[in-house]
Amino acid sequence: AQSVTQPDIHITVSEGASLELRCNYSYGATPYLFWYVQSPGQGLQLLLKYFSGDTLVQGIKGFEAEFKRSQSSFNLRKPSVHWSDAAEYFCAGKFSGGYNKLIFGAGTRLAVHP
Amino acid sequence: SQTIHQWPATLVQPVGSPLSLECTVEGTSNPNLYWYRQAAGRGLQLLFYSVGIGQISSEVPQNLSASRPQDRQFILSSKKLLLSDSGFYLCAWSSGSFNSPLHFGNGTRLTVT
Repeated sequence: AQSVTQPDIHITVSEGASLELRCNYSYGATPYLFWYVQSPGQGLQLLLKYFSGDTLVQGIKGFEAEFKRSQSSFNLRKPSVHWSDAAEYFCAGKFSGGYNKLIFGAGTRLAVHP
Repeated sequence: SQTIHQWPATLVQPVGSPLSLECTVEGTSNPNLYWYRQAAGRGLQLLFYSVGIGQISSEVPQNLSASRPQDRQFILSSKKLLLSDSGFYLCAWSSGSFNSPLHFGNGTRLTVT
């Protein structure tokens, strides 16, 4: 079955530290992959997306993600976290044969310590 | 540019009352439209999606329904709310191409009391 997994429910980092949020997908073919961010009580904002080509994609707010086919992963990274990055992050994928539906991971809540 | 509007932003309704949440999209035509629900501490669950006027697909059997009376209008309804219907409801749109992302509204916080 098509699925997206985010193994970490909560992550806490110090401001200025680097960040990596994990995402794995389960499917035979490469899906289209996305990362979204959600601030409390708000909708979801698209950070970046991967379809094909260069496996390192750049997004907004200084985020980047790397697609690794061998690990079925699409981890989100940021070199230096700011307090304003505290939010919930969702990895999502569109899978061929799944119509145009976006399947979400459970999300990772990021807390940033000053 | 395209924009998506959802209302109301918050809603408190008693059990057994009806529900109507509305979503409209501007700046695009024939969008794919989606309703997601986000329960407290949980991820996003796709409830309904629509590829055109009057075309609704349901993902999860429940006491909710959706309608698309106009190209850029998507409505989520219930005849009788349950406590378990409480949650954060998000509307989203995308273009028809498979590689297009979903763009989300700001959501409606529904509390059923």
